[in-house]
Amino acid sequence: EAAVTQSPRNKVTVTGGNVTLSCRQTNSHNYMYWYRQDTGHGLRLIHYSYGAGNLQIGDVPDGYKATRTTQEDFFLLLELASPSQTSLYFCASKGLGVSYEQYFGPGTRLTVL
Amino acid sequence: GDQVEQSPSALSLHEGTGSALRCNFTTTMRAVQWFRKNSRGSLINLFYLASGTKENGRLKSAFDSKERYSTLHIRDAQLEDSGTYFCAAEDYNQGKLIFGQGTKLSIKP
Repeated sequence: EAAVTQSPRNKVTVTGGNVTLSCRQTNSHNYMYWYRQDTGHGLRLIHYSYGAGNLQIGDVPDGYKATRTTQEDFFLLLELASPSQTSLYFCASKGLGVSYEQYFGPGTRLTVL
Repeated sequence: GDQVEQSPSALSLHEGTGSALRCNFTTTMRAVQWFRKNSRGSLINLFYLASGTKENGRLKSAFDSKERYSTLHIRDAQLEDSGTYFCAAEDYNQGKLIFGQGTKLSIKP
């Protein structure tokens, strides 16, 4: 089964702070995704990538940047964090091809005070 | 409106009983995934279906792309089945997952 890890697992920052969330997958998957999940809602797609150096805008991208430095690593950047970005963030990966399941990391809980 | 409507939003079952969750889609989807979010917040993959049905232990899922729905059946519910269940439909355009709002399942002794 695909292995997706995230760090940190928990993060507290203040409004205006700079935060980087990290995701690594070790299964040579081409696709990687960043989602946020809020209570009472399903996951919503922030950014995704087809491969190293590639970045695609998701459905809720405002306030977020992302960078895919290698096949394995995908980062989510909050340069001016706001309380509305307090959420549970999930990273996922998917293999080459269009119809394959996504595998999710354990999540990062971010609190912006 | 939402492309994926999941119901019910909450469900309470006694141990040993069963029920079904359902997701309706406003458009034709390529595939569906079902997840369970456990007490630690991790998303556990339950099923991936591009068509038909799959069964795994006490869980069974079906996906009908033409009729635009998917179901997840739970039988003989156990306490460890508690959690929030999500369906997510894969769109044809870019293969993105569109999530339902989740069903909070509580299993009582």
